[in-house]
Amino acid sequence: EPEVTQTPSHQVTQMGQEVILRCVPISNHLYFYWYRQILGQKVEFLVSFYNNEISEKSEIFDDQFSVERPDGSNFTLKIRSTKLEDSAMYFCATGPRADTQYFGPGTRLTVL
Amino acid sequence: TQLLEQSPQFLSIQEGENLTVYCNSSSVFSSLQWYRQEPGEGPVLLVTVVTGGEVKKLKRLTFQFGDARKDSSLHITAAQPGDTGLYLCAGPKHNTDKLIFGTGTRLQVFP
Repeated sequence: EPEVTQTPSHQVTQMGQEVILRCVPISNHLYFYWYRQILGQKVEFLVSFYNNEISEKSEIFDDQFSVERPDGSNFTLKIRSTKLEDSAMYFCATGPRADTQYFGPGTRLTVL
Repeated sequence: TQLLEQSPQFLSIQEGENLTVYCNSSSVFSSLQWYRQEPGEGPVLLVTVVTGGEVKKLKRLTFQFGDARKDSSLHITAAQPGDTGLYLCAGPKHNTDKLIFGTGTRLQVFP
């Protein structure tokens, strides 16, 4: 069964450094999302991406964050200058339609 | 603000018992999804319910969407240790596809 994959599984970085989290969506899915989950807290929405543009973003998704599909298949989340509070699990999700989202295994980001 | 409250928050049962998890809101949702999440992993989609009153079965799991589309339930028959995990309901915020997650029910099934 097709799955969403994410790399790396764990990323450790210094505060102020840039990180890029990568996601390979399920083939033929049209809707792409990033969520994050701070340890012990709920999964929270960051951004949705459809038809090669952001369709919605949360208040968390400020100018330090960006998303793109550089080669039409991978879907990336970039954090330009990481902060301590960016430490979390980051989940990519994709779907064939808006009401069905399949999540990847996540990238654990640790900012030191 | 659309909120999804789940109950109970924690549930510990013996293998073979039945259980029901509830997901409630004061808001109408166009659909609700149920996920199961293991520690350190991503939520795994179990089912999507769309129609008010809809019942879906997935082996020993039965999902129901309330008639008014404000609530949902997950019933597990003859629970097994492999059912252990965090069960989450989630629904799209009104007029968007941004998922709002419920508060979660942590299930522990003892052999």
